[in-house]
Amino acid sequence: QAVVTQEPSLTVSPGGTVTLTCGSSTGDVTSGHYPYWFQQKPGQAPRTLIYDASTKHSWTPARFSGSLLGGKAALTLSGAQPEDEADYYCLLSYSGVWVFGGGTKLTVL
Amino acid sequence: QVQVVQSGGEVKKPGASVKVSCKASGYSFSAYYIHWVRQAPGQGLEWVGRINPNNGATNYAQKFQGRVTLTRDTSISAAYMELSSLRSDDTAMYFCAGGIRHWGQGTLVTVSS
Repeated sequence: QAVVTQEPSLTVSPGGTVTLTCGSSTGDVTSGHYPYWFQQKPGQAPRTLIYDASTKHSWTPARFSGSLLGGKAALTLSGAQPEDEADYYCLLSYSGVWVFGGGTKLTVL
Repeated sequence: QVQVVQSGGEVKKPGASVKVSCKASGYSFSAYYIHWVRQAPGQGLEWVGRINPNNGATNYAQKFQGRVTLTRDTSISAAYMELSSLRSDDTAMYFCAGGIRHWGQGTLVTVSS
């Protein structure tokens, strides 16, 4: 089974910009992996922010954006807010079998 | 509005089986795969499997092959996950998600002797 890698932790200043990445042990992450991004706060179910690498849901704050960058999927947060402090997970599809990354703990400080 | 409601928490002994239900409303149940995801205490998310509500076709993570069964009942817009031969490390919150966008509240499964 493929391994999906994320930064274990990142810190961003309020109002700052940070990019989280999601890599695959099988090679470049492409649109064919249908990358997803989720936000999860303690004690809550995950919330889906991005699907198909860059498509936002109606509830996704505008400050979040997704892309494919340098062979990885990327989630960029521009103008971080205190409420963005959370765990972020990516999810990739491998021909119908999906694999989560280990998650990134984002601190807004 | 969209609602995905899961069954309540379960306590099981090692070696037993558990069946968790997931009932969707507010969207077309057949429109999206139902995915199951688990999260052990203090750990990350782990994909378990998915079911196509139209034809019942399933995909499972290799780790759970042979031990998990996903089913659905389209007449009541419900999906089910049954996990057998439970071990203590199956203790986790189990989530279902319609189309990986509409999430249930989670079901805590505790495996303890």
